[in-house]
Amino acid sequence: QVQLQESGPGLAKPSQTLSLTCTVSGGSISSSGYYWSWFRQHPGKGLEWIGYIYYSDITYYNPSLKSRVAISVDRSKNQFSLKLSSVTAADTAVYHCARARLLNDHYYIDYWGQGTLVTVSS
Amino acid sequence: DIQLTQSPSSVSASVGDRVTITCRASQGISSWLGWYQQKPGKAPNLLIYAASSLQSGVPSRFSGSGSGTDFTLTISSLQPEDSATYYCQQANSFPITFGQGTRLEIK
Repeated sequence: QVQLQESGPGLAKPSQTLSLTCTVSGGSISSSGYYWSWFRQHPGKGLEWIGYIYYSDITYYNPSLKSRVAISVDRSKNQFSLKLSSVTAADTAVYHCARARLLNDHYYIDYWGQGTLVTVSS
Repeated sequence: DIQLTQSPSSVSASVGDRVTITCRASQGISSWLGWYQQKPGKAPNLLIYAASSLQSGVPSRFSGSGSGTDFTLTISSLQPEDSATYYCQQANSFPITFGQGTRLEIK
């Protein structure tokens, strides 16, 4: 059973960089065919896709966040990370890491982390 | 971006009831739609993919249908543990987008 767990500061200051790490257990982050992804959920709102890093290290980001986002992987620790720069209060949200895969050749999320709340405030 | 609109935004039903939730896409997405269940404080859980395919381990009382722009999630006989928020997700094109959610309450 694959498990994902987010970690990182729960508070970020405006204009700074938000950094989160996702630790994967029960499976290798180097396994082929998986898209290691980040999502966020604003308080009381729906889900927003941030981006992914494919097992081959290809990244793809939501155009609405692309200029501020970087996703990277540390295979030695079986982790992947999110950096979101120049944050504002609008970036306050619960951030989820997740594993996606192609089902019938289209992208669905089959394992999620529980999520971690990041508040942007001075 | 493809917009997904769910209805109703909330619903209350009794154990044993049949419940239907709809999701409408702003443009045609063929059958590339998924449904997720999220309980408070928990991660979402994939129920249905490709509009009507049941994810492994999901009870058979959950079913999905539709194509193009109109989709439905049906729970055939509501159980107490089905109390949750349900989201649709389009997998037709990036950026991936979700509906705003439907909160299901058990009477």
